[in-house]
Amino acid sequence: AQSVTQLDSQVPVFEEAPVELRCNYSSSVSVYLFWYVQYPNQGLQLLLKYLSGSTLVKGINGFEAEFNKSQTSFHLRKPSVHISDTAEYFCAVSVLSGGYNKLIFGAGTRLAVHP
Amino acid sequence: EAQVTQNPRYLITVTGKKLTVTCSQNMNHEYMSWYRQDPGLGLRQIYYSMNVEVTDKGDVPEGYKVSRKEKRNFPLILESPSPNQTSLYFCASTTIGGGGETQYFGPGTRLLVL
Repeated sequence: AQSVTQLDSQVPVFEEAPVELRCNYSSSVSVYLFWYVQYPNQGLQLLLKYLSGSTLVKGINGFEAEFNKSQTSFHLRKPSVHISDTAEYFCAVSVLSGGYNKLIFGAGTRLAVHP
Repeated sequence: EAQVTQNPRYLITVTGKKLTVTCSQNMNHEYMSWYRQDPGLGLRQIYYSMNVEVTDKGDVPEGYKVSRKEKRNFPLILESPSPNQTSLYFCASTTIGGGGETQYFGPGTRLLVL
């Protein structure tokens, strides 16, 4: 069965420092990969997604992620974070299940940016 | 503005009292689903619908019902809520295609069952 593992439940970081949020997935077939962000008291919104092509994907708010097929990873990075990046981040994989493409989410990583 | 709306945003109820959480989207999406979010578990799918009158169970359907009588609406029904259904609920919608489509989420409904 497909699954998504986010290796850190919480990541504290200072403002303007770089950050990496780690995500590993398990799947025996080709997948589509997503990162969603949830700001406090809001729904999820898409940061970026990998469908095919270049393994480095750029998203909104200066985030990027690299798809690594051999390591089955899709880590999210930002070179310099802001206080406003404080949020919960979810990695997800889209897999074909019962005739439709289903999103499977990781447990989430809470990013706390400190001044 | 393209959006998914949910009501109510916050709800406190008691065990056994039937409730409905509404969900509506204005993007003409075929696919809609309900998730619950619990700490340390991420989002888990409760039910989904691929079109009007077509619904099916997700990963955690016990204790929930849904209906899809119109394309834009997908209400979640708890016939007899229990404390273990205390959670944060999200409705989402998307088009149906090759699998790489973005899902659009509502703002969430925080439910407390006493």
